[in-house]
Amino acid sequence: GENVEQHPSTLSVQEGDSAVIKCTYSDSASNYFPWYKQELGKRPQLIIDIRSNVGEKKDQRIAVTLNKTAKHFSLHITETQPEDSAVYFCAASWKGAQKLVFGQGTRLTINP
Amino acid sequence: NAGVTQTPKFQVLKTGQSMTLQCAQDMNHEYMSWYRQDPGMGLRLIHYSVGAGITDQGEVPNGYNVSRSTTEDFPLRLLSAAPSQTSVYFCASSYVEPGHLYEQYFGPGTRLTVT
Repeated sequence: GENVEQHPSTLSVQEGDSAVIKCTYSDSASNYFPWYKQELGKRPQLIIDIRSNVGEKKDQRIAVTLNKTAKHFSLHITETQPEDSAVYFCAASWKGAQKLVFGQGTRLTINP
Repeated sequence: NAGVTQTPKFQVLKTGQSMTLQCAQDMNHEYMSWYRQDPGMGLRLIHYSVGAGITDQGEVPNGYNVSRSTTEDFPLRLLSAAPSQTSVYFCASSYVEPGHLYEQYFGPGTRLTVT
């Protein structure tokens, strides 16, 4: 079955700097790659997603890039702010499957 | 709209007890799912459903049962609770097309402790 590996498990950056979180997936038929943000004690919420027919997608300070050849995708957060501190999860789903497989999560801390 | 709701918020069970975690959504989503969240392990899919009367297993289905009699409700049953089932449980729902998933809307979660 599909396997998703996420790195790093923890990330600390200075406010205003950029943060990058990377995920690799095992199934070359994967076609949907969402990113979720989970604040402490809260539910996960979608922040951005990308499908396999697109290489990059941006939404203000957040971007996701997809490299299908290498089977990895990354979340980029620019001009980080204290409210970006949270746990971020990547996930993947593949064509024909109606289920998401999540990475292990990255705890991002923004230092003022 | 209430979105996705879950009850109870907290529950403590003794080993061997059974219980049902409730999940309901008012967005008319065909797709519903249950995840468990353990420290350092992300979210793992337990069971999912693509519509009333249709359910399937996820990554970690053992010890759990589900049924889907209506579009709105998707209860998760623990048959005989074990300490290994101590976790935070999230229900989610979404729009779905054949072969394609969309944004998952999560409920607030149920924190379950089995002693």
